Amino acid sequence: GNSVTQMEGPVTLSEEAFLTINCTYTATGYPSLFWYVQYPGEGLQLLLKATKADDKGSNKGFEATYRKETTSFHLEKGSVQVSDSAVYFCALSDGAAGNKLTFGGGTRVLVKP
Amino acid sequence: DGGITQSPKYLFRKEGQNVTLSCEQNLNHDAMYWYRQDPGQGLRLIYYSQIVNDFQKGDIAEGYSVSREKKESFPLTVTSAQKNPTAFYLCASSLNGQGSGNTIYFGEGSWLTVV
Repeated sequence: GNSVTQMEGPVTLSEEAFLTINCTYTATGYPSLFWYVQYPGEGLQLLLKATKADDKGSNKGFEATYRKETTSFHLEKGSVQVSDSAVYFCALSDGAAGNKLTFGGGTRVLVKP
Repeated sequence: DGGITQSPKYLFRKEGQNVTLSCEQNLNHDAMYWYRQDPGQGLRLIYYSQIVNDFQKGDIAEGYSVSREKKESFPLTVTSAQKNPTAFYLCASSLNGQGSGNTIYFGEGSWLTVV
């Protein structure tokens, strides 16, 4: 079956530091890959996505590249802000009936001033 | 504004009671989903529906029931058979249930606590 593994948190950073959250996946076929962000007490918001190998998704200074050879989709941001403190989820959809998402366990990021 | 509305935001349930969580979307999406999130964990799929009057079980459907009588509505009932219902419940929708590239959009969630 499908699975997503992402690094455990919490990740604690100072403002303007570089952020990397690792994500690897196992899936049949050619999945689409997603990063979602969850702020405290809220639902999930789509951060970025990539639908085929070598695609780069980007949004709000965050980037992730779909690497089929390493089955990875690592999230990066060059200079984090306090407002980036949240939980980040990596997810995949393999196109099977229902377009269902399989999620990683989430990584909590805390950015200190 | 277009979006997904879940209600109530917070709900307390006594053991042995059924409760229903509401989910409404005005995005004209065909597919809708219910996920469960436990503290510090990822999301697990409860049920999903690709079209009106049709739905399928997800990974953890036991103790839950759904209906899809209207395109915009997908209510979730947490029954007394659900042994550990305290969790954060998230409703979601996508344009359709086909293909892997369709973005799934989420509501703000409902907190259910059993007292």
